[in-house]
Amino acid sequence: DAGVIQSPRHEVTEMGQEVTLRCKPISGHNSLFWYRQTMMRGLELLIYFNNNVPIDDSGMPEDRFSAKMPNASFSTLKIQPSEPRDSAVYFCASSRAGQLGNTIYFGEGSWLTVV
Amino acid sequence: AQKVTQAQTEISVVEKEDVTLDCVYETRDTTYYLFWYKQPPSGELVFLIRRNSFDEQNEISGRYSWNFQKSTSSFNFTITASQVVDSAVYFCAPSGGTYKYIFGTGTRLKVLA
Repeated sequence: DAGVIQSPRHEVTEMGQEVTLRCKPISGHNSLFWYRQTMMRGLELLIYFNNNVPIDDSGMPEDRFSAKMPNASFSTLKIQPSEPRDSAVYFCASSRAGQLGNTIYFGEGSWLTVV
Repeated sequence: AQKVTQAQTEISVVEKEDVTLDCVYETRDTTYYLFWYKQPPSGELVFLIRRNSFDEQNEISGRYSWNFQKSTSSFNFTITASQVVDSAVYFCAPSGGTYKYIFGTGTRLKVLA
């Protein structure tokens, strides 16, 4: 079975540009998560969707970040405008919802560098 | 609120040695789950194990074993006869009554040939 699929795997962009990261969750999973990993802050939850609805976006750093999930098989994380401090690995993850302690499965990550 | 501590920042061992990675957590939830993930140098996060708070039986999977001690709030991970391919960062993550996992800072394991 296909795992969580993320694109692009690597992105280098200039400060001020818009960045869009994409994610396809595992089929049948109805919870989707975006995480960010940096050396300084480790793994942080940015936003959590359940059945395509954003449930918790308290981890989104600021208004420059936005996330959407138009359907069960696709989500985007957008940064506009990007800044060098946004450089990080962004992980998308999915799980089956409805049960406590469902295992979260991660994609391979999108490595973002903003110069 | 939950908290997890992985006190060992980095461990180096020689191949074939056994190594234990420590994880201590804090939670007010009576029911919770504990997870371990592996992040190899290639960067992906790989799920290793999930345990619930009611099951204190130790678990063994090949060279991997996990020791869950509810009394000390610890969920330690042991690799027996380590191999170079075990070199990675290992994360412990408790999950309580919500969808939120709290990831530890990770332990970087280096297995030297």
